[in-house]
This record gives sequence, C-alpha cells and structure tokens, in this order.
Amino acid sequence: EVQLVESGGGLVQPGGSLRLSCAASGFTFSTYAMHWVRQAPGKGLEYVAAINNNAGSTYHADSVRGRFAISRDNSKNLLFLQMGSLRAEDTAVYYCGRDLSHTTVTTVECWGQGTLVTVSA
Amino acid sequence: DIQMTQSPSSLSASIGDRVSITCRASQAISRYLAWFQQKPGQVPKLLIYGASILQSGVPSRFSGSGSGTDFTLTITSLQPEDVATYYCQKYDTVPRTFGQGTRVELK
Repeated sequence: EVQLVESGGGLVQPGGSLRLSCAASGFTFSTYAMHWVRQAPGKGLEYVAAINNNAGSTYHADSVRGRFAISRDNSKNLLFLQMGSLRAEDTAVYYCGRDLSHTTVTTVECWGQGTLVTVSA
Repeated sequence: DIQMTQSPSSLSASIGDRVSITCRASQAISRYLAWFQQKPGQVPKLLIYGASILQSGVPSRFSGSGSGTDFTLTITSLQPEDVATYYCQKYDTVPRTFGQGTRVELK
C-alpha cells in the first residue's frame, strides 16, 4: 500500500523558513516523480512544485519560485520542500503527492494527508 | 500560462440526478486533463486522467469526456457520497494548473 506521510509543518513568522518532509513507502520511490500541492484554508488546490524521479528536473510555481525548493533523497525515500521568505499567503495545508506515471511527470495519483503551515506574527 | 475555468462554481442536485461539470482550458491541452474529488475534510482523490480514463476503484457512474479545450465530468446518478468539491487539472506542461473547483451539494 502506498503511504505518504508529511511532516515539518507548524507556525512560523513572516520571513521565516520551514522544511517540509514527506516519507514515502509501499512503492519504488526512485522510479516516480513527486509533487507538492497546497490548499489555503477554505480555498482551492494550488500546484506548488514537482521533481522527476532522479531529481534531474524540478518545477516551481511562479508564486514560490526563488523562495521554495523541492528536493528528494532516493536513498531514504524522502521528499522535501524547503520554504523560505514565508508570507501570510503561504498559509496552507501542503500535500505531498506521487505521480501517476512511471515514465514521465504527469499528475498526482496518490496523496498524503497533508501538513499545515501557518505564517503569522 | 493556460487558465482552467470550471463551471458552475457550485450546484445543487437530487439523489439520482445526472450532474455535469465543465472545465475549459484557455488553450488546447489535448487530453492531458485530470479530475479530482475532495470530500469535506478529506484529501483529494484522483477520479479520471487522460480526460476519460477512470482511475482504478472509481465507481462507473463517473465519466469524463472532451479534448482540446473543453472537458466534462459527468456523474450519471448522484449519490450521497458524491457530495464534494471537484477540480480539474491540466498536466500537459507546466504550470499544472487546477481549476477553481465546483462544489456539489444535495438538494
């Protein structure tokens, strides 16, 4: 069974940093692209970042580019999202997701339960 | 960037009704379109990908159609457990934008 467990969320002041982690199990982590998607309270889904299976290619949404960085450690089955220069509008539940495809970067098939990031003074 | 627009934003229907949700892309995306269901307080769930391919385990009352710029998610006979917000997402290229969501409620 595929399991994705996010951690690292919490309360942080504006301008601060956080590192989210996603522990993956139940599948061969190194063969799938991975994604981060966020959802502000009461709002819709926003696509944040993606990384291909070998970390050779990454994508970050315009809203986070230059402030957030997606990475992965295939030896430990871990996905990360390093978040910096945090703003109030970054407050959201952050979901880790496994790609649908083995061969390319597509969409999210499996979702973690999410971790809440609150940016507030 | 390509924009994804869903309509309606919300709808109210009775048990057994046929429900349709539309997603329109501002430029053609072939069939690189997914539909997600998010029930209140739950994690999103992939329903359909490739515009019309039903994800394993999803009830057959759900179906997807369309290509290019216009797509439709149809629930042939609405059930109580279908109360949720539905999102479309393009995944042909980056950014993999979501639609704004359609809330489905029971009348």
